[in-house]
Amino acid sequence: GIQVEQSPPDLILQEGANSTLRCNFSDSVNNLQWFHQNPWGQLINLFYIPSGTKQNGRLSATTVATERYSLLYISSSQTTDSGVYFCAVYNYGQNFVFGPGTRLSVLP
Amino acid sequence: DSGVTQTPKHLITATGQRVTLRCSPRSGDLSVYWYQQSLDQGLQFLIQYYNGEERAKGNILERFSAQQFPDLHSELNLSSLELGDSALYFCASSVGGRNTIYFGEGSWLTVV
Repeated sequence: GIQVEQSPPDLILQEGANSTLRCNFSDSVNNLQWFHQNPWGQLINLFYIPSGTKQNGRLSATTVATERYSLLYISSSQTTDSGVYFCAVYNYGQNFVFGPGTRLSVLP
Repeated sequence: DSGVTQTPKHLITATGQRVTLRCSPRSGDLSVYWYQQSLDQGLQFLIQYYNGEERAKGNILERFSAQQFPDLHSELNLSSLELGDSALYFCASSVGGRNTIYFGEGSWLTVV
């Protein structure tokens, strides 16, 4: 089945810093999403981005489907950005597969 | 609010018991997915239903079963519970696989 890798596994930032999270996948996909799991366990949709670039406030994402990777950019990080960021991919017939996540800690 | 409703939010039960977790998908969504997340672990896909029929199966134990009813709500049944079944169980829904998937807030299960 499709393999999903995320890097880095852990990231510690000072408030106000910028960061880039990466998601690599091993096969072509029909769907790619980024999620944020907050410290209370809630999974929040960030982006539906099977290809191209999207922006939402301080967050933006880019997926280069032909090269099988996606990037999530967080600018001017805030303590509320802390949590785990997951990418998930969908390949028809294989279902949604989640990466292992990047754990982000933003320090005040 | 994602529009996906899960009940109960928290559940504590003893080993050997059976529990049922319930999920109501977003209005209009035909696909329902169940995921398990153990402590500090990733999300493990359990099973997917589409419009009442099983569509895909992941790492779901034989002690676990699920179904999707005609009104599209779904239930995950966990039986002969073991300590290792303690986890956060998520339900998610989507129109289809190419569409955005939305997660409920999860059901925290603690087996003692």
